[in-house]
Amino acid sequence: KNQVEQSPQSLIILEGKNCTLQCNYTVSPFSNLRWYKQDTGRGPVSLTIMTFSENTKSNGRYTATLDADTKQSSLHITASQLSDSASYICVVSSRNSGNTPLVFGKGTRLSVIA
Amino acid sequence: DAMVIQNPRYQVTQFGKPVTLSCSQTLNHNVMYWYQQKSSQAPKLLFHYYDKDFNNEADTPDNFQSRRPNTSFCFLDIRSPGLGDAAMYLCATSEPGHLLYGYTFGSGTRLTVV
Repeated sequence: KNQVEQSPQSLIILEGKNCTLQCNYTVSPFSNLRWYKQDTGRGPVSLTIMTFSENTKSNGRYTATLDADTKQSSLHITASQLSDSASYICVVSSRNSGNTPLVFGKGTRLSVIA
Repeated sequence: DAMVIQNPRYQVTQFGKPVTLSCSQTLNHNVMYWYQQKSSQAPKLLFHYYDKDFNNEADTPDNFQSRRPNTSFCFLDIRSPGLGDAAMYLCATSEPGHLLYGYTFGSGTRLTVV
């Protein structure tokens, strides 16, 4: 069964600190993995998209890694800001998906406090 | 800017009273999706349109219907909303064959059933 598991479920960090969110998946055949940021009450916003051949991709203070062998990904947030408080969702699509649905993780709820 | 727009942002409806949520896109994407997202859960796909072809998920209740009169617009109709239908409804678009293009989500409509 295609699944995406994220950890931790929630995380509280102090402003300015770094953090790393984890994503493990069993989707096969794999096509790409996406990280989204979802603010409370809003739709998800794409942070990164990574294909099979990519190991690392950065978007500002966000750096995503992908290990296709172990089927793991991480999202590292550097120098966190209060505005980083949101849910971070890992989404994996299958090579066969085309127009068919993505597999969503349940997200990690990040709270950045002053 | 090209985008996916959902209206309204917040919708309150009475138990059993039909309600329609709307989604429009300027991306000219072939595929449009409707997701239901309940609190602290991953989005759940309800159905999607590939151009004019409608694809219903097996576990989507009959209470939910959709219309896509043209490429730009897609509607979600809930014929007789129940209390359990209160959720965030997300519209998304994608273009098959361009898997590196992230799915683009709208900001969502928060539905409250009273």
